Amino acid sequence: EAGVAQSPRYKIIEKRQSVAFWCNPISGHATLYWYQQILGQGPKLLIQFQNNGVVDDSQLPKDRFSAERLKGVDSTLKIQPAKLEDSAVYLCASSLVPVNSPLHFGNGTRLTVT
Amino acid sequence: GENVEQHPSTLSVQEGDSAVIKCTYSDSASNYFPWYKQELGKRPQLIIDIRSNVGEKKDQRIAVTLNKTAKHFSLHITETQPEDSAVYFCAASEGNNRLAFGKGNQVVVIP
Repeated sequence: EAGVAQSPRYKIIEKRQSVAFWCNPISGHATLYWYQQILGQGPKLLIQFQNNGVVDDSQLPKDRFSAERLKGVDSTLKIQPAKLEDSAVYLCASSLVPVNSPLHFGNGTRLTVT
Repeated sequence: GENVEQHPSTLSVQEGDSAVIKCTYSDSASNYFPWYKQELGKRPQLIIDIRSNVGEKKDQRIAVTLNKTAKHFSLHITETQPEDSAVYFCAASEGNNRLAFGKGNQVVVIP
């Protein structure tokens, strides 16, 4: 099966600029996640979708981060405006079911904010 | 929320020896405990997981043991090989089914 696709792989922006990341989950996976992985740390959940509805966005900094999954398949994560501390790898993952299910991660987007 | 800690942060082993990584969690309601392997510059990949109704699970050279009373679970890798060198993340489910990840253990297998 094709894995989780993400783009771009790398992005360098200046602080206060905006950036968007795209994710296409594994076909048939209704649950989609966006994680932030800061260097030297484990992934931290930003937002979880079930189909096109938000299940958990409690750790999403909503003043600058937004995400959508309009048709229940692809998703985009946006940061506007970016801060230096947003430098991280942004991982998209999908799973077959939303509870206690293996996560399939994409290769991630490495964001550098200067 | 759930607090997941991993020890040791770095582990070096001779090829062929066993490696053990321990993970502790704080939420007694957690019921799902996966381990992910992340090689440098690559995506995290699930290597094994265990649910709270089971005490041990094994898959070839990899095993996970769970002690619910003490709130810790461990990853065991036997007959280590150079390709086992990676960062290993443990995770525990929180009450709302969100996964809380530890900071990771760097395992280095010395040929």
